[in-house]
Amino acid sequence: EVQLVESGGGLVQPGGSLRLSCAASGFTFSSFWMHWVRQAPGKGLVWVSRINSDGSSTTYADSVKGRFTISRDNAKNTLYLQMNSLRVEDTAVYYCARGGNHFDSWGQGTLVTVSS
Amino acid sequence: EIVLTQSPGTLSLSPGERATLSCRASQSVASYLAWYQQKPGQAPRLLIYGASSRATGIPDRFSGSGSGTDFTLTISRLEPEDFAVYYCQQYGSSSYTFGQGTNLEIK
Repeated sequence: EVQLVESGGGLVQPGGSLRLSCAASGFTFSSFWMHWVRQAPGKGLVWVSRINSDGSSTTYADSVKGRFTISRDNAKNTLYLQMNSLRVEDTAVYYCARGGNHFDSWGQGTLVTVSS
Repeated sequence: EIVLTQSPGTLSLSPGERATLSCRASQSVASYLAWYQQKPGQAPRLLIYGASSRATGIPDRFSGSGSGTDFTLTISRLEPEDFAVYYCQQYGSSSYTFGQGTNLEIK
């Protein structure tokens, strides 16, 4: 069974940093592109970033470009999102998701709250 | 950036009725269009990919159609567990966008 488990969320002040992790199991992690998708409270889904299977290529939404970094450790079956210079508008549940053109498996999400 | 516009924003129907949800893209996405269902407090679930292919384990009352800029998700006979928010999503030019969602509520 495919499992994606996010961790690392929490409360952080504006301008601060946080690193999210997503532990994958039940599939060959190194064969799949992976993504981060976020959802602000009461709002819709917003794609954040993606990384290809070997980590050599990454893409970001304009809203996070230059502040967030996606990475992966295929030996540890883990996806990461390093978030710097956090803003109040980055407050959201962050989901990791598996897929190329679409997202066929999702984690349960981890809440990031940016507030003073 | 390709913008996806979903309609209606809210759809009020009764169990057993047919639901038709629309998603329109600001430019062609060919068939790179997926649909997701999300219930309160849960992660989204993939329903349809490639505009018309059902994901694993999805009941056949869910169907998708369309290509280019106009897409439809149809639920043939609504079950109580189908009332949720539905999102469309496109992939194009190394970027992904979601529609704003359609809230399917019980009438």
